[in-house]
Amino acid sequence: DAMVIQNPRYQVTQFGKPVTLSCSQTLNHNVMYWYQQKSSQAPKLLFHYYDKDFNNEADTPDNFQSRRPNTSFCFLDIRSPGLGDAAMYLCATSLDRGMNQPQHFGDGTRLSIL
Amino acid sequence: SQQGEEDPQALSIQEGENATMNCSYKTSINNLQWYRQNSGRGLVHLILIRSNEREKHSGRLRVTLDTSKKSSSLLITASRAADTASYFCATDGQGAQKLVFGQGTRLTINP
Repeated sequence: DAMVIQNPRYQVTQFGKPVTLSCSQTLNHNVMYWYQQKSSQAPKLLFHYYDKDFNNEADTPDNFQSRRPNTSFCFLDIRSPGLGDAAMYLCATSLDRGMNQPQHFGDGTRLSIL
Repeated sequence: SQQGEEDPQALSIQEGENATMNCSYKTSINNLQWYRQNSGRGLVHLILIRSNEREKHSGRLRVTLDTSKKSSSLLITASRAADTASYFCATDGQGAQKLVFGQGTRLTINP
């Protein structure tokens, strides 16, 4: 089945130690999104790629960066994780950028900071 | 500021009963979407309703949209234990090229 896969499901890192989360998709969708979701809160968009075009949200900290080397893969890099970055990170895709279509989510990576 | 807000924040009902969740939003929209999230999992798209539609059905799900009141409701009929999850509405907010999610309703179905 076509899907969105996030690895790993659980990631533990140390305060200040860089960490990379990965997302892959077999849907061949043009758009890939990264969301941060803290406990009992709404998912919050960090940034998205429309093909190779990177779109950062204004309030996304500089500590968060992303790479999309090809259509199928997208990475979230956290350069110096702080305790406040502990959260679930969700990757999603959509066929195109218009908001008249559904987004397809992976099962997320839960990040813990020691 | 948040575009969609759900009400209630939490809802607990008996299996077989109907569950209704409401979503209110602030600015005009083109579309409104509902998603389900099981504990520890990603979001799953349920229904998309366009601003010129008033009601939409999918299986046991019924979504209504009232643009004059800037509100939407999600009705789950004949609830099952497997419906236990958080439900989020998401709007595009005046054509913004992103979805903005509400805080969600945590639904618990008791056997």
